[in-house]
Amino acid sequence: AQSVTQLDSQVPVFEEAPVELRCNYSSSVSVYLFWYVQYPNQGLQLLLKYLSGSTLVKSINGFEAEFNKSQTSFHLRKPSVHISDTAEYFCAVTNTNAGKSTFGDGTTLTVKP
Amino acid sequence: DTAVSQTPKYLVTQMGNDKSIKCEQNLGHDTMYWYKQDSKKFLKIMFSYNNKELIINETVPNRFSPKSPDKAHLNLHINSLELGDSAVYFCASSLNGLNTGELFFGEGSRLTVL
Repeated sequence: AQSVTQLDSQVPVFEEAPVELRCNYSSSVSVYLFWYVQYPNQGLQLLLKYLSGSTLVKSINGFEAEFNKSQTSFHLRKPSVHISDTAEYFCAVTNTNAGKSTFGDGTTLTVKP
Repeated sequence: DTAVSQTPKYLVTQMGNDKSIKCEQNLGHDTMYWYKQDSKKFLKIMFSYNNKELIINETVPNRFSPKSPDKAHLNLHINSLELGDSAVYFCASSLNGLNTGELFFGEGSRLTVL
């Protein structure tokens, strides 16, 4: 069995401030890790993923996440947020054997001017 | 050119009715999924098909019946709709059932049961 815990349901920040959205997971087997973003009234889209290799992964719009195996975490960070980053963010894990994805409950990031 | 498309985008219906949502993907993926997102935005998998074969069937009432006529299409039929079925239903696809890559989501179908 696997589970995902997103530690913050809502994160309000001011524009240009740094942000961290926290994600912890548990699994008895190896997993792949993902962050998805959902803008209002849209479907989810992949932000970044960790499959193997370097534990620090980056997106094209300035987000990064670090896989920490010992702490079973995959926190998402951005050094300076924009208003347009306001969205719902979902952390997900996928069992490397069974291919089933489990999503966290989401974190609402609200960037204020 | 939409990768994963769902129709209709909005559905408003009365309790007890039957409704269907259609999904098509043009990515050439083998695996398709239905997810349910409730009013608190929690996302739960309902079904998964790999090349027309059911591979994931979570604890979903029998009133929900998926159908995959071919690997590019996965439809969802819901019988005897209940108030609690109100949600946004997302179709998604992935390259294969091992899902080493990403899930591609449609824009969602918002179902409101009155």
